[in-house]
Amino acid sequence: EAGVVQSPRYKIIEKKQPVAFWCNPISGHNTLYWYLQNLGQGPELLIRYENEEAVDDSQLPKDRFSAERLKGVDSTLKIQPAELGDSAVYLCASSQDRGELFFGEGSRLTVL
Amino acid sequence: EDQVTQSPEALRLQEGESSSLNCSYTVSGLRGLFWYRQDPGKGPEFLFTLYSAGEEKEKERLKATLTKKESFLHITAPKPEDSATYLCAVQATGGSYIPTFGRGTSLIVHP
Repeated sequence: EAGVVQSPRYKIIEKKQPVAFWCNPISGHNTLYWYLQNLGQGPELLIRYENEEAVDDSQLPKDRFSAERLKGVDSTLKIQPAELGDSAVYLCASSQDRGELFFGEGSRLTVL
Repeated sequence: EDQVTQSPEALRLQEGESSSLNCSYTVSGLRGLFWYRQDPGKGPEFLFTLYSAGEEKEKERLKATLTKKESFLHITAPKPEDSATYLCAVQATGGSYIPTFGRGTSLIVHP
């Protein structure tokens, strides 16, 4: 069975540029999470989806971050404009019945 | 607010030298406690879920235990391939079921 797929794996952009990350969860997993992980830190939740609905997005900086999950499957996380402090790893995870999370390999963003 | 504290931050062991990692948590009600392994440049990989005090889970050289306030990940006779960051996360009852992660313990096992 295929795991969680994320792309791109690496992205380097200039500050103020836009960037988008894509995630394809495990088939049949209705819950999808986007986490941010800084070096030496644990993952921190940005947003959680139950099917198409964003049910936890209080930690998402809505002035520059947006996310969508069309048709309750794939999801896209966008940052516009990017700032230097946004450099981090963006992790996507999915779960079934709100149990253990299965993570993708992450998208590493560097903002110059 | 749910809190998860992991110790030590970093641990260096010689191959075969057994040790334990600690995860202390504060949560209104525990639905589940999770252990993950994270290799450099990779996403976390699920290891165990523990649900109630006294529960234990084992996988190869790893054994996870749970009390009402903390969990331990015991590593018996570690090998260099056990080197990784080990993350603990708790999921509370009566809420949104969002797992809260600790900062992890970075384990290096020297041959």
